[in-house]
Amino acid sequence: DTAVSQTPKYLVTQMGNDKSIKCEQNLGHDTMYWYKQDSKKFLKIMFSYNNKELIINETVPNRFSPKSPDKAHLNLHINSLELGDSAVYFCASSQSGTDTQYFGPGTRLTVL
Amino acid sequence: GNSVTQMEGPVTLSEEAFLTINCTYTATGYPSLFWYVQYPGEGLQLLLKATKADDKGSNKGFEATYRKETTSFHLEKGSVQVSDSAVYFCALSVAGNNRKLIWGLGTSLAVNP
Repeated sequence: DTAVSQTPKYLVTQMGNDKSIKCEQNLGHDTMYWYKQDSKKFLKIMFSYNNKELIINETVPNRFSPKSPDKAHLNLHINSLELGDSAVYFCASSQSGTDTQYFGPGTRLTVL
Repeated sequence: GNSVTQMEGPVTLSEEAFLTINCTYTATGYPSLFWYVQYPGEGLQLLLKATKADDKGSNKGFEATYRKETTSFHLEKGSVQVSDSAVYFCALSVAGNNRKLIWGLGTSLAVNP
């Protein structure tokens, strides 16, 4: 059983397009995250939702818009994609009051 | 502010060698400390953690001890295997910070047979 799943696993697109990445967790957690990992493996948190409420919103271009329809889902929509958006995007989840985060397998986004 | 510094990689070892990956931190309050591992092509997974001073986290032959006096949480393994080849991340969290994890830059480990 997959705990944190993401779709798609790979995404190749042209500059200027709009794309979405979806994340679902079946762990019953109430907090979900989006991270960006660059080619040097540097991990940067982008957003976090707790019970569908945005609680972490790091300095991210407003072309990135997260949406959490319910506690088990957190999607990431990216408008007007740029070359610098190429990276691996990870979704993660955790339960309030605990620190351990569970990661999805990642979505490798390539912008041409 | 809160930060994590870990040794730069890549680290290359032969099988059965001893591994140390250094991690030091600065934090307000009393952080919890973590090591996560990322195998090639996969997401990160928790390797071990420690929540208070002098605690030792251990898993899969890896160990790390929370040293408040030296603000360190070095990762060690007595005998590495090829299957340990991965990127290792040190991280901390501080209560009241929305449980945000503060990450180190990651250390790549390659173990040769």
